[in-house]
Amino acid sequence: GEKVEQHQSTLSVREGDSAVINCTYTDTASSYFPWYKQEAGKSLHFVIDIRSNVDRKQSQRLTVLLDKKAKRFSLHITATQPEDSAIYFCAASMPNYNVLYFGSGTKLTVEP
Amino acid sequence: NAGVIQTPRHKVTGKGQEATLWCEPISGHSAVFWYRQTIVQGLEFLTYFRNQAPIDDSGMPKERFSAQMPNQSHSTLKIQSTQPQDSAVYLCASSLGGAETLYFGSGTRLTVL
Repeated sequence: GEKVEQHQSTLSVREGDSAVINCTYTDTASSYFPWYKQEAGKSLHFVIDIRSNVDRKQSQRLTVLLDKKAKRFSLHITATQPEDSAIYFCAASMPNYNVLYFGSGTKLTVEP
Repeated sequence: NAGVIQTPRHKVTGKGQEATLWCEPISGHSAVFWYRQTIVQGLEFLTYFRNQAPIDDSGMPKERFSAQMPNQSHSTLKIQSTQPQDSAVYLCASSLGGAETLYFGSGTRLTVL
């Protein structure tokens, strides 16, 4: 099955700086790559996603980049704010197969 | 819309006892997913229903875990003869049908003593 890896377990940035969280996946058939955020003591919620037919998607301060050749995708957060502090999970799934396989999570801390 | 509702929030069982976890998906959502979250293993897929039918249970430990979705308004995850290694937060999520935009419940924290 698909294996998604997040190599950064923690990431610390200063408020206002940018943050980049990277993920890799193993199965070339994977075509859908969402990101979820888990704030302290809360459950996961969806933040942004990208499909394999594009290599970039932006939503306000969030941008997702996808490099299919390298089987790598990343979440870029600009102008970070304290409320961006959370654990971010990347995930992948294959076409016509609705199970998401999650990475291990990256704890982002935005320091004032 | 109350979101995905999971009960109980916390459950403590003794080794060898049974635990049943409940999930009420968002009304109108046809897909229900169960995941398990631990510090060591992260988020592990367990099982998935679509329109109440079991689609994939490849993540379920074969012997003691079972899941059902008797109607569109709830799903249950049952763990028989619980073991300490079953201790985890069990998350239920629902969606309109696919992997896009899963809505997660708050989870049930299971502690097996």
